[in-house]
Amino acid sequence: GAVVSQHPSWVICKSGTSVKIECRSLDFQATTMFWYRQFPKQSLMLMATSNEGSKATYEQGVEKDKFLINHASLTLSTLTVTSAHPEDSSFYICSARDPGTEYSNQPQHFGDGTRLSIL
Amino acid sequence: SQKIEQNSEALNIQEGKTATLTCNYTNYSPAYLQWYRQDPGRGPVFLLLIRENEKEKRKERLKVTFDTTLKQSLFHITASQPADSATYLCALANDYKLSFGAGTTVTVRA
Repeated sequence: GAVVSQHPSWVICKSGTSVKIECRSLDFQATTMFWYRQFPKQSLMLMATSNEGSKATYEQGVEKDKFLINHASLTLSTLTVTSAHPEDSSFYICSARDPGTEYSNQPQHFGDGTRLSIL
Repeated sequence: SQKIEQNSEALNIQEGKTATLTCNYTNYSPAYLQWYRQDPGRGPVFLLLIRENEKEKRKERLKVTFDTTLKQSLFHITASQPADSATYLCALANDYKLSFGAGTTVTVRA
């Protein structure tokens, strides 16, 4: 089945550091990928939609200069948290749509997330 | 504003019983409703999708209903097993975006 790989799975770094998270679709091409953030015991919140070859679309309230998204190929999207601070500590999860499935644009295949801890 | 509520944060049941989870929504007209399973420290895994014109969907021991009048979906796990212990998320979809509920954590006791 469709697999989405996310790397790294865990990052601990100092305040002010920039952190890059990679999201890869392993056995299908994904023109669209999604980035979510999840705080403990809360729902996944969509941060942005990553479109291959064009600019990402950010949800309201998400700082595009803070969370840089690059979708340079059909199998890779990256999220860079720039100048990270403790309040950016969270679980970041990416997903991708597999257009080859029974449903035209659903469901989404998720990576296993990246736990980001900023000290 | 749009709101998705899952009935309770936690549900504890005995092995073999049926777990019933509720997802209610307001200020939404979703074309699809999906259910995902999430294990601790992992990403969600898709389970079932039901369209707005479908009343019920089944997959093995799982059953989902969708009542657009009540704005509610019910998710049933029949003959529950300890391996079913996880957090279950409902997600509403219009076009390609998903909006998630906070989830219900199910614990199945042996």
